[in-house]
Amino acid sequence: AQSVAQPEDQVNVAEGNPLTVKCTYSVSGNPYLFWYVQYPNRGLQFLLKYITGDNLVKGSYGFEAEFNKSQTSFHLKKPSALVSDSALYFCAVEAAGNKLTFGGGTRVLVKP
Amino acid sequence: NAGVTQTPKFQVLKTGQSMTLQCAQDMNHEYMSWYRQDPGMGLRLIHYSVGAGITDQGEVPNGYNVSRSTTEDFPLRLLSAAPSQTSVYFCASSPGQGASYEQYFGPGTRLTVT
Repeated sequence: AQSVAQPEDQVNVAEGNPLTVKCTYSVSGNPYLFWYVQYPNRGLQFLLKYITGDNLVKGSYGFEAEFNKSQTSFHLKKPSALVSDSALYFCAVEAAGNKLTFGGGTRVLVKP
Repeated sequence: NAGVTQTPKFQVLKTGQSMTLQCAQDMNHEYMSWYRQDPGMGLRLIHYSVGAGITDQGEVPNGYNVSRSTTEDFPLRLLSAAPSQTSVYFCASSPGQGASYEQYFGPGTRLTVT
């Protein structure tokens, strides 16, 4: 069985400050890891993914994530948060085939 | 490209009623799936399809049926609605299976069962 944990229900950050959203995973074998973002009343949008290779993955809207195998983590980061980054963020790990297992989500609130 | 479209956006049902949530995509994607989103639980896979005529169960399939007669359409049927099926439902598609492919999500259907 595989699982994803997002330990923080909500992250508050001031605009311009660094943003980190935490994710840890449990999976047999090599993990394929994803971050998706959901803006209010919208579907999920793909941000970035880790398949193999460089542990630092760069994605859309200035986001990046670092894969850490020893800590089984895949934290999402942005050096300077914007108010428009306020949204719900989901970490996911892939099962066999294309069946994703999602974490519970972390709400990010960026205050001006 | 319209991408992935879902109808209706909102629906209220009484316990025991049936209905079909519609999902269509115009990207010629082979893989389509249905998820439900509940607070604090992320998205959970209900059913998925790897191509026309092929469907399979996901993590929470009970109370739902699907069929895939065309590449474009993947409707989700609630046979006899229950309050536990109150949720937001998302349809998604991708060009194929595997981690090489990102999934494209529709805008969702908010369903309330009273």
